[in-house]
Amino acid sequence: SAVISQKPSRDICQRGTSLTIQCQVDSQVTMMFWYRQQPGQSLTLIATANQGSEATYESGFVIDKFPISRPNLTFSTLTVSNMSPEDSSIYLCSVARDSSVLGYEQYFGPGTRLTVT
Amino acid sequence: QQQVKQSPQSLIVQKGGIPIINCAYENTAFDYFPWYQQFPGKGPALLIAIRPDVSEKKEGRFTISFNKSAKQFSLHIMDSQPGDSATYFCAASIEETSGSRLTFGEGTQLTVNP
Repeated sequence: SAVISQKPSRDICQRGTSLTIQCQVDSQVTMMFWYRQQPGQSLTLIATANQGSEATYESGFVIDKFPISRPNLTFSTLTVSNMSPEDSSIYLCSVARDSSVLGYEQYFGPGTRLTVT
Repeated sequence: QQQVKQSPQSLIVQKGGIPIINCAYENTAFDYFPWYQQFPGKGPALLIAIRPDVSEKKEGRFTISFNKSAKQFSLHIMDSQPGDSATYFCAASIEETSGSRLTFGEGTQLTVNP
């Protein structure tokens, strides 16, 4: 498995501001991902954080709104920019690790609970 | 993203019962099917996963049954306990081309009564 930490664990922010969420993994991983989970809902992939290159965004998510950094193989950040109440959600970092049996297995961090007022 | 449909939305069983959660997918290129367990306030935890070259996989009290022709897979929890009460998500991905980009089902909230 993988030990993943996220900071902050929760925050309450005012609309129009930005928040940067940090994700730290206990060892080097090739693939890191950012997901959004709205209260009581399923998980939706925002983007794949690529080390040394721009993130790859899913349909409906854009870099201007969710800029991502991946400076090395153990760390990534997601910024939620110009926030509105609709951005209130749980943001989850995940990493994929090769299990050598089933291929890549994906592990999730504890999440960052964001409330925008 | 291709859809993965999960049912039921919620499920209540008595301790010792065998809850069954079902998922159906559309994209026949999916080749990796994990199940996640999520407790309130926590991130999802990988429970068990299967590839389409096998029809069943057991790990402890958890079993995945896989029906490739029907494009369906299910999670069975044997001898369920109150501590199993959580939300369960199925997921699917195409390992080779999408590098583990998971598509999740809608989730099933399981309650196991004492």
